[in-house]
Amino acid sequence: NAGVMQNPRHLVRRRGQEARLRCSPMKGHSHVYWYRQLPEEGLKFMVYLQKENIIDESGMPKERFSAEFPKEGPSILRIQQVVRGDSAAYFCASSPWQGANTEAFFGQGTRLTVV
Amino acid sequence: ELKVEQNPLFLSMQEGKNYTIYCNYSTTSDRLYWYRQDPGKSLESLFVLLSNGAVKQEGRLMASLDTKARLSTLHITAAVHDLSATYFCAVDRNSGAGSYQLTFGKGTKLSVIP
Repeated sequence: NAGVMQNPRHLVRRRGQEARLRCSPMKGHSHVYWYRQLPEEGLKFMVYLQKENIIDESGMPKERFSAEFPKEGPSILRIQQVVRGDSAAYFCASSPWQGANTEAFFGQGTRLTVV
Repeated sequence: ELKVEQNPLFLSMQEGKNYTIYCNYSTTSDRLYWYRQDPGKSLESLFVLLSNGAVKQEGRLMASLDTKARLSTLHITAAVHDLSATYFCAVDRNSGAGSYQLTFGKGTKLSVIP
């Protein structure tokens, strides 16, 4: 059973380009969470999605950032017109459902560098 | 707004010594997580603490939760070099629902010196 798969692991973009980060949850998991980690900081919640639904995007910047989790395929975090401040590690986590005795598992992360 | 504070942020300790990392949080929650992160790596789940008074131990690490004091501790016993990493505590924003919308502390960077 493969874990949470993120790709690419490293992504370099020039200012103004678009970045697309992909997250394939663990098999059987229908809940996906995206977090951003700035250097020397803890992770910050961005968005929580279920299949075809955004449940909570309160942590996501209002402009340039969007996320989706389609019925088929991975979850995508999209950053348009990237700026240097977007450079960070982006982690996704997945869980099978909401519940007191479940646990979310994190992927390896995508390290985005904006030059 | 939920705030999670860890201290210390940096910890250098000799092998064989004991130490405790503290995690305070600002609003009611019954779900607290401890993670380990090695440089450039993802987060490894160490402990999930779900109720007041919960205590869990794995090897040289022991975590506890006091929901009334809004405090969790991660105790390290007889530290070894392999424990060098950054340790994060995280609190679930939606208490009881297990939603994994976590608020993280800034992390404690632990260096164990031989």
